Amino acid sequence: DIQMTQSPSILSASVGDRVTITCRASQSLNNWLAWYQQIPGKAPKLLIYEASTLKSGVPSRFSGSGSGTDFTLTISSLQPDDFATYYCQQYDTYPWTFGQGTKVEIK
Amino acid sequence: EMQLLESGGALVQPGGSLRLSCAASGFIFRSFGMSWVRRAPGRGLEWVSTISGDGVNTYYADSVEGRFTISRDNSKNTLYLQMNSLGGEDTALYYCAKDHLDYDTSGYNTYGAFDIWGQGTLVTVPS
Repeated sequence: DIQMTQSPSILSASVGDRVTITCRASQSLNNWLAWYQQIPGKAPKLLIYEASTLKSGVPSRFSGSGSGTDFTLTISSLQPDDFATYYCQQYDTYPWTFGQGTKVEIK
Repeated sequence: EMQLLESGGALVQPGGSLRLSCAASGFIFRSFGMSWVRRAPGRGLEWVSTISGDGVNTYYADSVEGRFTISRDNSKNTLYLQMNSLGGEDTALYYCAKDHLDYDTSGYNTYGAFDIWGQGTLVTVPS
């Protein structure tokens, strides 16, 4: 199985900060990687797919980059609605797997 | 508006069975792969199972292989998850989720990035 490792597990930041979350896969993904945001009590929301494609309707402050085994999610200027948990997910090879999550909290 | 609505979650004794349902609306259900994803208390998301739009191809996590069965009825726009031999490790909020791209767009019978999620249905198995 492909293991997905996110870092950090918890990130403390302020409104307006630039935030970067990393995701490392145990083998190459051919860019079949997605990023989700989950707010407590809500369903996950797709932000990025194919490593860097922004889903329609998602604010442009979110961006994804990377290739092979190393990927990043960047929020260029953190907004109050962005305090949430973020997950990466590989869909290159079954079983599909998620990272353990990164909680972005208010500093 | 595209929507998914899960039902069927309950408190069930160890070794018991349960069938979850997910009613879809607002999109051409038969054109999209569908999946179940769960989140156990205090833990992250775990992919459980996926089925292709035509229902022919199914895939399972190792943790549920042989115990869970995914299926769909395209005439009813409904996805199912039959869960047998349940244990405490299956306690979770179960979400159904829709593939972001269909076969005609992606070229794959299942895609894997999920753009529409239900609100989840809770399965509790005392350990």
